[in-house]
Amino acid sequence: DTEVTQTPKHLVMGMTNKKSLKCEQHMGHRAMYWYKQKAKKPPELMFVYSYEKLSINESVPSRFSPECPNSSLLNLHLHALQPEDSALYLCASSQDELLTEAFFGQGTRLTVV
Amino acid sequence: AQSVSQHNHHVILSEAASLELGCNYSYGGTVNLFWYVQYPGQHLQLLLKYFSGDPLVKGIKGFEAEFIKSKFSFNLRKPSVQWSDTAEYFCAVNAPNNNDMRFGAGTRLTVKP
Repeated sequence: DTEVTQTPKHLVMGMTNKKSLKCEQHMGHRAMYWYKQKAKKPPELMFVYSYEKLSINESVPSRFSPECPNSSLLNLHLHALQPEDSALYLCASSQDELLTEAFFGQGTRLTVV
Repeated sequence: AQSVSQHNHHVILSEAASLELGCNYSYGGTVNLFWYVQYPGQHLQLLLKYFSGDPLVKGIKGFEAEFIKSKFSFNLRKPSVQWSDTAEYFCAVNAPNNNDMRFGAGTRLTVKP
């Protein structure tokens, strides 16, 4: 199994809503990532978890809150988002912090209305 | 921190034409280099990677890339493209032992049948 599974695939939320994006991998990878990708732009790193500890936080607004409940799961909690937060949110994992190869999920396409 | 530049935003080729996509990075130390492909509606997939050793790296689907340290470049090549190669191509870089992977802006390749 070399898949990174993200749910939901699509999400529409209002600016006052609270929602969560979920990511799961069963490859035994110990590093997991959240990226944000706007249309026709490259993925931008948001957060990195290494061995279930937050190791990189790229100055992301606090309305995005990551959580790593265990080594297979990564969540991104969303609250009070803005329309400009609409984007494709990508989860990735790699075996460890050496980042020999990152496997990406298909992403959650988020629309904030 | 490392950064990546991809010079071609959109490349249009006919089938059987040869392809070369440019990628330059800026980072003073040793780097790991990657090329990812994103087919329409699909997730990012690794085409090839370079860590050390032979600077000419062969990947999947007939792609190859050459690391030229003196030029800080890692250009992607394919001798003869197919219509199915139509996709977005991203170059990425990270420093060894560092899971902070940065992507270039991407190059959209359109192959006409």
